[in-house]
Amino acid sequence: GESVGLHLPTLSVQEGDNSIINCAYSNSASDYFIWYKQESGKGPQFIIDIRSNMDKRQGQRVTVLLNKTVKHLSLQIAATQPGDSAVYFCAENGLTGGGNKLTFGTGTQLKVEL
Amino acid sequence: DADVTQTPRNRITKTGKRIMLECSQTKGHDRMYWYRQDPGLGLRLIYYSFDVKDINKGEISDGYSVSRQAQAKFSLSLESAIPNQTALYFCATSSYNTDTQYFGPGTRLTVL
Repeated sequence: GESVGLHLPTLSVQEGDNSIINCAYSNSASDYFIWYKQESGKGPQFIIDIRSNMDKRQGQRVTVLLNKTVKHLSLQIAATQPGDSAVYFCAENGLTGGGNKLTFGTGTQLKVEL
Repeated sequence: DADVTQTPRNRITKTGKRIMLECSQTKGHDRMYWYRQDPGLGLRLIYYSFDVKDINKGEISDGYSVSRQAQAKFSLSLESAIPNQTALYFCATSSYNTDTQYFGPGTRLTVL
């Protein structure tokens, strides 16, 4: 089946607008999903996670939505700022049989225009 | 994340050389991982360790070996480096009771 991936390789938004980054996952057995942010020259940083028993989870300026029916995950960033420019990627645990192992998507580049 | 450190940050080496990448963590986590990142391919798991006596192959372990010297240290070795091992390498850690992984800053390795 299709592996964890992202619909759009690049997303450009105006500063102050909301951003939505999408992710399709393939394994209906996945029960944990996580979003990472990776800035140029740095390692991936944890943003937010969600378990499959939830549909929505909010953090500071970020919201993750999970639609298990269509196996879709999205990350919403409110009032996008220049510091949000980075690659964002999702990960799931279902393809690896759990046990703390994750399968990662290839990422979406978010560009914030001033 | 300063809790997970990697050395060196950059390394250029020649084909056939043996090199070691090191990872240390102060998070007190039991589990450690090594990934490589290539453009367009995302993060791929090389090896992982759930405790000091535990070593497991990931999806792309050929050409690599690891050593878990202590709970806080996990090193990755390339016995005989080849050009297609040019990549970004990341170490990550997690606690036994959560799937959340925390990454180091990465090592950029170039094999000429």
